[in-house]
Amino acid sequence: AQRVTQPEKLLSVFKGAPVELKCNYSYSGSPELFWYVQYSRQRLQLLLRHISRESIKGFTADLNKGETSFHLKKPFAQEEDSAMYYCALSGWETSGSRLTFGEGTQLTVNP
Amino acid sequence: DGGITQSPKYLFRKEGQNVTLSCEQNLNHDAMYWYRQDPGQGLRLIYYSQIVNDFQKGDIAEGYSVSREKKESFPLTVTSAQKNPTAFYLCASRTGTNTGELFFGEGSRLTVL
Repeated sequence: AQRVTQPEKLLSVFKGAPVELKCNYSYSGSPELFWYVQYSRQRLQLLLRHISRESIKGFTADLNKGETSFHLKKPFAQEEDSAMYYCALSGWETSGSRLTFGEGTQLTVNP
Repeated sequence: DGGITQSPKYLFRKEGQNVTLSCEQNLNHDAMYWYRQDPGQGLRLIYYSQIVNDFQKGDIAEGYSVSREKKESFPLTVTSAQKNPTAFYLCASRTGTNTGELFFGEGSRLTVL
């Protein structure tokens, strides 16, 4: 079984402050982890994936297999970062194309 | 214009009626998905299909049915057996790889009166 947990449903920070959105997972094999974002009135879209090891819009995420975590971080939050963020896991060995999402974290960046 | 199209955007139905939500993609993706999005519960997987004529149950398949007769199409039927069908439904697709990006439709909001 594969499972994704995002412990914070709501997160509020001030502009310029660091932000970290937590994601923990359980999966017995080698997972692929993703962060998806949904801005107001827009479609859900990919923000970044761990295999790319890239920084998108200033966000980074590191896969920590020891802690089974894939937290999303940004050193200086901007107001346009306000959105719903979902962590997702794909586990090919046991689940094929199945993609499991967490409960989501609503981030609000205050001016 | 490539992408995923869901229809209808809004749908009302009476209790006891079945309703079918359409999902079409022209991205030539192998895998297609249906999720249900409820406040505070995130996206929960209803059904997914890796190839034509094959599909698997997700976490909340009870009361739903799907078909995958064509690569481009993956319709979802919400049956009268679904106890709490009022929700926002999202269709998505991706290439048949583990690292592929998921592309989402705009969603269909179903309200049962």
